[in-house]
Amino acid sequence: VQLVQSGGGLVQPGGSLRLSCAASGFTFSSYWMSWVRQAPGKGLEWVANINADGTKKFYVDSVKGRFTISRDNAQNSVFLQLNSLRDEDTAVYYCARVVAPFDTWGQGTLVTVSS
Amino acid sequence: DIQMTQSPSTLSASVGDRVTITCRASQSISIWLAWYQQKSGKAPNLLIYEASTLQSGVPSRFSGSGSGTEFTLTISSLQPDDFATYYCQQYSDHSYTFGQGTKLDLK
Repeated sequence: VQLVQSGGGLVQPGGSLRLSCAASGFTFSSYWMSWVRQAPGKGLEWVANINADGTKKFYVDSVKGRFTISRDNAQNSVFLQLNSLRDEDTAVYYCARVVAPFDTWGQGTLVTVSS
Repeated sequence: DIQMTQSPSTLSASVGDRVTITCRASQSISIWLAWYQQKSGKAPNLLIYEASTLQSGVPSRFSGSGSGTEFTLTISSLQPDDFATYYCQQYSDHSYTFGQGTKLDLK
């Protein structure tokens, strides 16, 4: 069971970025998936969840209307589209498999929002 | 939204000590609580779920208890590998809220 993340990097305030998370070793289409972030030196913050078929999505209030979680079960991947980025979105972003509740995590990818 | 409060924020202890971390929920979450260990620069690692069930592969010196609004994580005899930051997380609703973390360091 493995989650491998890609994307991330430096972006200016107001900019956009897309994070990807590729799953292997399990039946991806059967599981909810999630994104969690961690600002530098801070704690963990749950960001978004998506159900197994992609029809239900949930977000933390601070990203509603700006971030979009999606998935492609044919490609065993989950995505996080980050729009209208703010300084306070700077963080390491992790994808996670939703089992009990997060039993498997990606390696994390750093998003830095700065001018 | 459900708020999670951990205490203490920092805990200093020695190898062999028994330590306890507390997590309180702002409303009842039944047993829908997990504990994670995180080491610097790494993804969190699931230790306990459903308040008291040990995740496969986690040493038996870790244990969890509680239900409703108050929960504890206990490490029965600290080992050198246990010095890390610990987080609780509720999953009673879809806002999978974390506590603010407890940093366990060497006294």
